[in-house]
Amino acid sequence: AQSVSQHNHHVILSEAASLELGCNYSYGGTVNLFWYVQYPGQHLQLLLKYFSGDPLVKGIKGFEAEFIKSKFSFNLRKPSVQWSDTAEYFCAVNPLAGNNRKLIWGLGTSLAVNP
Amino acid sequence: ETGVTQTPRHLVMGMTNKKSLKCEQHLGHNAMYWYKQSAKKPLELMFVYNFKEQTENNSVPSRFSPECPNSSHLFLHLHTLQPEDSALYLCASSRGLSTSTDTQYFGPGTRLTVL
Repeated sequence: AQSVSQHNHHVILSEAASLELGCNYSYGGTVNLFWYVQYPGQHLQLLLKYFSGDPLVKGIKGFEAEFIKSKFSFNLRKPSVQWSDTAEYFCAVNPLAGNNRKLIWGLGTSLAVNP
Repeated sequence: ETGVTQTPRHLVMGMTNKKSLKCEQHLGHNAMYWYKQSAKKPLELMFVYNFKEQTENNSVPSRFSPECPNSSHLFLHLHTLQPEDSALYLCASSRGLSTSTDTQYFGPGTRLTVL
């Protein structure tokens, strides 16, 4: 079955540290890829997405993600985190097979940034 | 605030009760979604509607009955639920069904507890 794996369930960083959250998926075909973020007490919102073109995607708030097709990965990065980045981060994949428009989600990674 | 509202935000119900969850979007979108978010499980798509027509039913038990009277409103009618149905139910909307171009916007969710 198709799945999305987020390796780190809980991450704790100090402000100004660099961040990399892993995301791997199990599907060999073409995919659209997403990172969503949920800040405490807020709704899920799109951070960035990849569907074609440059595999290095830049999103809001200084986040970026790199699609490495050979590794089935779409890791999220930020060079210097802030306390306000404390949130839950979700990776999602849409395998583009036929008419499939369903997003398959990872379990999420909880990030806590200490001031 | 995403333009997607959900009521109630919290709901406690017994297994013999009948209740409904409501979702409203003010974004002029045509597609609406119900998701289930359970502890320690990935976000699961339940239903998708596009222009009021159901386009996806992800093998959801019949004790969950969706209704989409127009493109702005989506309901989830609940009856004879089980304790394992306790979860956060998220509504989302998007302009269309393409994951390449149509971002899904999420509501805050309804936290459901079945006793």
